[in-house]
Amino acid sequence: EAGVAQSPRYKIIEKRQSVAFWCNPISGHATLYWYQQILGQGPKLLIQFQNNGVVDDSQLPKDRFSAERLKGVDSTLKIQPAKLEDSAVYLCASSLVNTHQPQHFGDGTRLSIL
Amino acid sequence: QKEVEQDPGPLSVPEGAIVSLNCTYSNSAFQYFMWYRQYSRKGPELLMYTYSSGNKEDGRFTAQVDKSSKYISLFIRDSQPSDSATYLCAMDKNSGNTPLVFGKGTRLSVIA
Repeated sequence: EAGVAQSPRYKIIEKRQSVAFWCNPISGHATLYWYQQILGQGPKLLIQFQNNGVVDDSQLPKDRFSAERLKGVDSTLKIQPAKLEDSAVYLCASSLVNTHQPQHFGDGTRLSIL
Repeated sequence: QKEVEQDPGPLSVPEGAIVSLNCTYSNSAFQYFMWYRQYSRKGPELLMYTYSSGNKEDGRFTAQVDKSSKYISLFIRDSQPSDSATYLCAMDKNSGNTPLVFGKGTRLSVIA
């Protein structure tokens, strides 16, 4: 079974620029999560989707971050404008629904803000 | 007080040693407990998954959950250099699909 795919793997931008990340979950996984992992910290949830609907975006900084999952499969996460504190690894995870299922993570996008 | 506390280490042990990694938590609503292993520049990989209190063993790995003490552990027997990674504990509350709350991770080095 193919894992969670993320691109790009690395991105370097200047502050105030915009950036977008892409995630393709494991086939059949209706639930998709975006996490932010700052160096030396555990991942922290940004947003959770089930199919194409948002389940939890309470920790998403909505003034600069946005995410969508239009057809219930792939998802994009965007930051505009970026701040220095957004330097982190952005991880996408997916899981099955209906019963408690573990989350499977992609390798993330490492974002550096100059 | 953070919901999940985990000593970030680093922890360095000789090859063959028994490793003990631990997390404490404050929210008694947590029901599901996981350990993830994260190699450098890779995503977290699920190692162990337990529900409520008790022990679970998988090869050289044993996970323990003590809900009365709000304390979980991961033991690695006969540690190998390939076990060198960051180990993240994670937990969540519900039986459905809910976001995980992670510890900071403990960085482990196993020296040959």
